[in-house]
Amino acid sequence: AQSVTQLGSHVSVSEGALVLLRCNYSSSVPPYLFWYVQYPNQGLQLLLKYTTGATLVKGINGFEAEFKKSETSFHLTKPSAHMSDAAEYFCAVSALGGYQKVTFGTGTKLQVIP
Amino acid sequence: DAGVIQSPRHEVTEMGQEVTLRCKPISGHDYLFWYRQTMMRGLELLIYFNNNVPIDDSGMPEDRFSAKMPNASFSTLKIQPSEPRDSAVYFCASSPGGQRSGYTFGSGTRLTVV
Repeated sequence: AQSVTQLGSHVSVSEGALVLLRCNYSSSVPPYLFWYVQYPNQGLQLLLKYTTGATLVKGINGFEAEFKKSETSFHLTKPSAHMSDAAEYFCAVSALGGYQKVTFGTGTKLQVIP
Repeated sequence: DAGVIQSPRHEVTEMGQEVTLRCKPISGHDYLFWYRQTMMRGLELLIYFNNNVPIDDSGMPEDRFSAKMPNASFSTLKIQPSEPRDSAVYFCASSPGGQRSGYTFGSGTRLTVV
């Protein structure tokens, strides 16, 4: 079984401030982890993913995330928020084993204040 | 590449009518997924295909829902008869390697059943 918990359904940051979106996962086997972004009236877009190897993963638009096995976390960060980052962000987990099921979190809406 | 293409973008129908949603995956992607997104339930996996074969339809809510993939470039999701509680945004996604690769989502179909 696998699950993902996103802490905070809404996060507000000032333009230029650090963005930190939290994600904790549960998986009985080594996980694959993903962050997706959804802009209004659009589909989800893959930001970054962790499968194996380096635990610090860099994605598009200046975002990065670090896989911390001991904390079962995969938090998303960006050093300096831009107005265009305002969107909803989804963390997702999938488990190694061939079964093609990705479980999505409930999402975090990021508001960027000018 | 044009990405995953869904049609129509918006559909408004009366309760009891048949609704057909369409999806064209990215060429070469051998996995196709149908998701439903609502405020209350978030993103739910309805069904997925591998090489045009339905693998898991356990997320299909009722017998009123059916999905087909007659060839590698086309899939449909049909609801018959439709009910107001089916109102949601339906997303199609495709993937070249399943869970490890991440998904490319279409822009979705916003279905309203009145």
